Order: sequence, then C-alpha cells, then structure tokens
Amino acid sequence: EAGVAQSPRYKIIEKRQSVAFWCNPISGHATLYWYQQILGQGPKLLIQFQNNGVVDDSQLPKDRFSAERLKGVDSTLKIQPAKLEDSAVYLCASSQGGTVSYNEQFFGPGTRLTVL
Amino acid sequence: GDSVTQMEGPVTLSEEAFLTINCTYTATGYPSLFWYVQYPGEGLQLLLKATKADDKGSNKGFEATYRKETTSFHLEKGSVQVSDSAVYFCALINPNNAGNMLTFGGGTRLMVKP
Repeated sequence: EAGVAQSPRYKIIEKRQSVAFWCNPISGHATLYWYQQILGQGPKLLIQFQNNGVVDDSQLPKDRFSAERLKGVDSTLKIQPAKLEDSAVYLCASSQGGTVSYNEQFFGPGTRLTVL
Repeated sequence: GDSVTQMEGPVTLSEEAFLTINCTYTATGYPSLFWYVQYPGEGLQLLLKATKADDKGSNKGFEATYRKETTSFHLEKGSVQVSDSAVYFCALINPNNAGNMLTFGGGTRLMVKP
C-alpha cells in the first residue's frame, strides 16, 4: 500500500514570495491533516479536512495561509506572502476518518521550507 | 488547552542501556495517548498507543503505561540498540475536541552509541 505522498521535498524562497505544497493521502482515507513542524518543536495542526470539508482550521493563519481539498482526495497548502517565521517542515497526514474516536494517522515525509 | 510536556534531549545512551523518556500531559476528559518516532530522513511513525487508563502500549520492545493519576505516559525500553536512535514524540488526542487532532510534545532526541 502506497503511503502519503508529498511534494516538493524541499523548497527555498525569499520572504514575501508565494509557495504551494501538495499532498496525496493514502487511497480511501477520508481525513487529511496539515501540520507545521518548526525546528526543535513538535508538529502543530494547521488544518484538518474530512473529505472535502474543513473540520478544524483554528490554528491556520488565514491572512497568509490557505488550503483546499476540492475533490476530497489531494490537497494543496499555500502560503502567500511567506515570512521568515514560516520556515518549517510541513507534514501531511491521513487517516480513515469516520466516527471512531481514534484512527491512526499516517504521515508523509514532509516538505522542508526555508524562507530567506 | 491541551498540552504535552516531555523531557528535553538529547538523551545519549550506550547500546543495551535502559531507556526512559518522561512524558506528562494536560487535557480535559480522557485523552488517548501516543508515542511517535521519527528516524533520520524518514516521516513520523506511530510507535505505540494507549486509549484508556492503565492500558499498556507496546511495540518493538518499547512500552508505555497510561497513568491517569499522574497524567503520565513514560516511554521505556529495557535494552536500546543503535538502530533506536531517533526523535521520539509523545502526543495525545482529546475526544472532546473536534476531529482527531494530535497535540504533540516537543520531541526528545535519542542517540545510542555502540
């Protein structure tokens, strides 16, 4: 079974530029998560989708970050414009979803963003 | 809000030494608790979990027991190997929150020397 795919793996941009990340979850997984992991810290949830609807985006800086999952499968996360403090690894995860209180989240390899 | 606190690293051990990585949490209700591991160059992987008080999660020789009275979920292994060198994250899911969002601790880097 293929895992969660993310691209690109690395991205270097200058501040005020825009950047987009792509995630393809495990086939059949209804729930998709984007986490931000700043160096030396644990991942922090940015947004959670259930199919193509948003479940939780309370920690997404909506003035510069946006995310979509139009067909309930792939997802893109965009930053426009980027700031220095956005330098981090952006992790995508997916799970089966549903009403069970816990479903294992499977993580992709992440995209390492450096903002200069 | 919910939070997870784990001991700062790096933790450096010799092969076959005993490992303990402390983890405590703050959350309302009855969260599920997890340990994730991140090997060099790889993504986060679930190592073990416990979903109710006094449950013991175990995998690959690692164990952790859900202690509600001390709000702790310490990770232990009796004899570490060089291949266990990685960053370990303690995390929780609070069923009172919308969705199944993971709240992570800051991570503890383990270095095992031959």
